Amino acid sequence: DGGITQSPKYLFRKEGQNVTLSCEQNLNHDAMYWYRQDPGQGLRLIYYSQIVNDFQKGDIAEGYSVSREKKESFPLTVTSAQKNPTAFYLCASSIVTPGELFFGEGSRLTVL
Amino acid sequence: KNQVEQSPQSLIILEGKNCTLQCNYTVSPFSNLRWYKQDTGRGPVSLTIMTFSENTKSNGRYTATLDADTKQSSLHITASQLSDSASYICVVTMKTSYDKVIFGPGTSLSVIP
Repeated sequence: DGGITQSPKYLFRKEGQNVTLSCEQNLNHDAMYWYRQDPGQGLRLIYYSQIVNDFQKGDIAEGYSVSREKKESFPLTVTSAQKNPTAFYLCASSIVTPGELFFGEGSRLTVL
Repeated sequence: KNQVEQSPQSLIILEGKNCTLQCNYTVSPFSNLRWYKQDTGRGPVSLTIMTFSENTKSNGRYTATLDADTKQSSLHITASQLSDSASYICVVTMKTSYDKVIFGPGTSLSVIP
């Protein structure tokens, strides 16, 4: 079945460590997105990419980095510069920008 | 400021009862409004999309309404089931040069037997 796969589902890290969250889609969508979800707040856009080898900062890009080397893949790195990284991270894709968003199952990152 | 507000923040209803969730937005210029359902620990899934000219749209037991003049939308759930327990998120898309998507904080619905 077509869809978006995020991994890992749960991730723990120590302060000062970088971690990379994986996002793979087989929907043949051009656009991909990373969102952060915190309790009581709406999803906030971290980065988005409309085409391979191109990506744009969202509203809260500081402390994060991405790459888009392949159409199917859009990994997110949470760097040590992100001051409050504990959150639920959602990857999404759409046929066009923007369009109906198709979300992955999410990755929950906890910093110890 | 472009914002999306939802009420109530949380809601508990008995199985089989109906309920209505509210969404108010100040987004302009408006392109469309979607309702998403998010089960706990999962990604959101789209329920409906409404454009400026649409007043009502149904998807099974879910019926969404839109009043573009007052910038309000509602999601009505009929004959609730335990599986309706989830967070319901209102999402408004702006009509800009690159189209910006603004998420509401969600309403947490719990359906109890």
